[in-house]
Amino acid sequence: DTEVTQTPKHLVMGMTNKKSLKCEQHMGHRAMYWYKQKAKKPPELMFVYSYEKLSINESVPSRFSPECPNSSLLNLHLHALQPEDSALYLCASSQVRQLTTEAFFGQGTRLTVV
Amino acid sequence: AQSVTQPDIHITVSEGASLELRCNYSYGATPYLFWYVQSPGQGLQLLLKYFSGDTLVQGIKGFEAEFKRSQSSFNLRKPSVHWSDAAEYFCASYNYNQGGKLIFGQGTELSVKP
Repeated sequence: DTEVTQTPKHLVMGMTNKKSLKCEQHMGHRAMYWYKQKAKKPPELMFVYSYEKLSINESVPSRFSPECPNSSLLNLHLHALQPEDSALYLCASSQVRQLTTEAFFGQGTRLTVV
Repeated sequence: AQSVTQPDIHITVSEGASLELRCNYSYGATPYLFWYVQSPGQGLQLLLKYFSGDTLVQGIKGFEAEFKRSQSSFNLRKPSVHWSDAAEYFCASYNYNQGGKLIFGQGTELSVKP
């Protein structure tokens, strides 16, 4: 199994809503990532978890709250988002010793904030 | 600062024609370099990577790339393009100073004419 599974595929939420994005992998990877991608732009790294601990936070606003409950799961909790947060959110995973170099990406969650 | 440049925003080639997508990097030592492909609304798929050794790297889907230190380039090539190759292509470099972070180029959108 070389898949990274993200749910939901699409999400529409209001600015006062609370929602969560989920990511799951069963490749035994101990590094997991959240990226944000706007249209026609490259992905931007948001967070990196290594051995279930947050190792990189790219100065992301607190309305985005990551969580890594175990080695297979990664969540991104969303609260009080702004319309400019609408984007494709990508999850990825890799072996820790190959940090980002052999990253496998999920298909993404298309988020629209209204 | 380390950077990756993809000079071409959009390229159109005819099906069956050869393809070369350009990528230039800036880094003093030997970089870790990657090419990813992204179909519309999808995640990123790793096509190939270069760490060291043979400067001509073979990847999936018939792609190859050549590392040229003298030109600071890592261009992606395919001898005969298929309509299914139409996608966004990202060149990326591993950031040594910020472990865990990929530096992406701005991407090149490939269109394929019948």
